[in-house]
Amino acid sequence: SAVISQKPSRDICQRGTSLTIQCQVDSQVTMMFWYRQQPGQSLTLIATANQGSEATYESGFVIDKFPISRPNLTFSTLTVSNMSPEDSSIYLCSVADRALNIQYFGAGTRLSVL
Amino acid sequence: AQSVTQLGSHVSVSEGALVLLRCNYSSSVPPYLFWYVQYPNQGLQLLLKYTTGATLVKGINGFEAEFKKSETSFHLTKPSAHMSDAAEYFCAVSGNAGNMLTFGGGTRLMVKP
Repeated sequence: SAVISQKPSRDICQRGTSLTIQCQVDSQVTMMFWYRQQPGQSLTLIATANQGSEATYESGFVIDKFPISRPNLTFSTLTVSNMSPEDSSIYLCSVADRALNIQYFGAGTRLSVL
Repeated sequence: AQSVTQLGSHVSVSEGALVLLRCNYSSSVPPYLFWYVQYPNQGLQLLLKYTTGATLVKGINGFEAEFKKSETSFHLTKPSAHMSDAAEYFCAVSGNAGNMLTFGGGTRLMVKP
């Protein structure tokens, strides 16, 4: 199984600032995903990040607000830009093991925006 | 397109009782189905999955689920609840191996002593 490390695990930020979340995987993976889990809600896919190409964003999410980098096969970052209290959520990174048909998740980044 | 409906956002059972968490899905292609568990302040852990083959799948911690195509269901069961089973459970569907997951709304399981 893949081991995923996310940093930071939690943060409290001021509105108008930006936060970059890092996702590190212990093996090379093609597909990485970023999800948002709003308080008391389920997970919603933000975007799919493949190495060597632009991230693909889901409806309701835009690159200017959630820029993503995928510089290599083991690392990705998600930035939450110009934050507002509505961005307070858990942000989770996941990777796909296509051979096993499984997605593995990081522990998440718990973000509170004041 | 896929969607997942979990009936009951909160389920409460007594310790030792049967656990039944309901999941219905819709998918335009043969689905891959998953159950994940999220303990407080933790990420998601895979409980079990269905891809092809045997429709009754067994997972970790004594959980199992049965894929019923005719009912478009993938309900999660455990014969005897334990206090440590208290958590949030998510059903998810994917149209392809390793592809994006669509999650249900989640069911919070509470276990009473």
